[in-house]
Amino acid sequence: EVQLVESGGTLVQPGGCLRLSCAGSGLIFTNYWMHWVRQVPGEGLVWVSRISADGNITNYADSVKGRFTISRDNAKNTLFLQMNSLKAEDTAVYYCSTEPKAAPGRQLSYWGQGTLVTVSS
Amino acid sequence: DIRMTQSPSSLSASVGDRVTITCRASQSISTYLNWYQQKSGKAPELLIYATSSLQSGVPSRFSGSVSGTDFTLTISSLQPEDFATYYCQQSYSTPRTFGQGTKVEIQ
Repeated sequence: EVQLVESGGTLVQPGGCLRLSCAGSGLIFTNYWMHWVRQVPGEGLVWVSRISADGNITNYADSVKGRFTISRDNAKNTLFLQMNSLKAEDTAVYYCSTEPKAAPGRQLSYWGQGTLVTVSS
Repeated sequence: DIRMTQSPSSLSASVGDRVTITCRASQSISTYLNWYQQKSGKAPELLIYATSSLQSGVPSRFSGSVSGTDFTLTISSLQPEDFATYYCQQSYSTPRTFGQGTKVEIQ
């Protein structure tokens, strides 16, 4: 059974930093691109970032570019999101998700349960 | 960025009804359109990928189609467990934009 478990979400002050982790199990981690998607409670889904299976390609939403860094440790089946210069508008539940390599729809096939980041003084 | 316009934002229907949700892309996205279901307090789940392919384990009452840049999710006979919010997402290019969501309520 595939499991993705996010961690690291907490309350942080504006301007602060945080690192989220997503531990994968039950899958061949290197067969997947990995994504972060966030959701303000009660609102819609917003794509944040993605990283290729080998870690060489990364993309970001404009709203986080220059502040967030996605990375992965394939030896430990773990995805990361380093979040710097946090703003109140970064408050959200952060989900990690998998995109199988060569997936016909480039779909997000598995999702973690999410971790809540709250940016507030 | 590709804009995904989803409609309606909410709907109320009865068990057994046929329900249709539409997502319009602001430009051509080929068939790179996926649908997700999210139940309250839970993570999203993949329903349909590549416009019309059913994810393994998803009931056959769910289907997807396209006409030009208008994509449709259809639930042929609504069931009580289908109460949820549905999102489309284009995977043609980054940023991988989502529609605003459609909340389906059971009458």
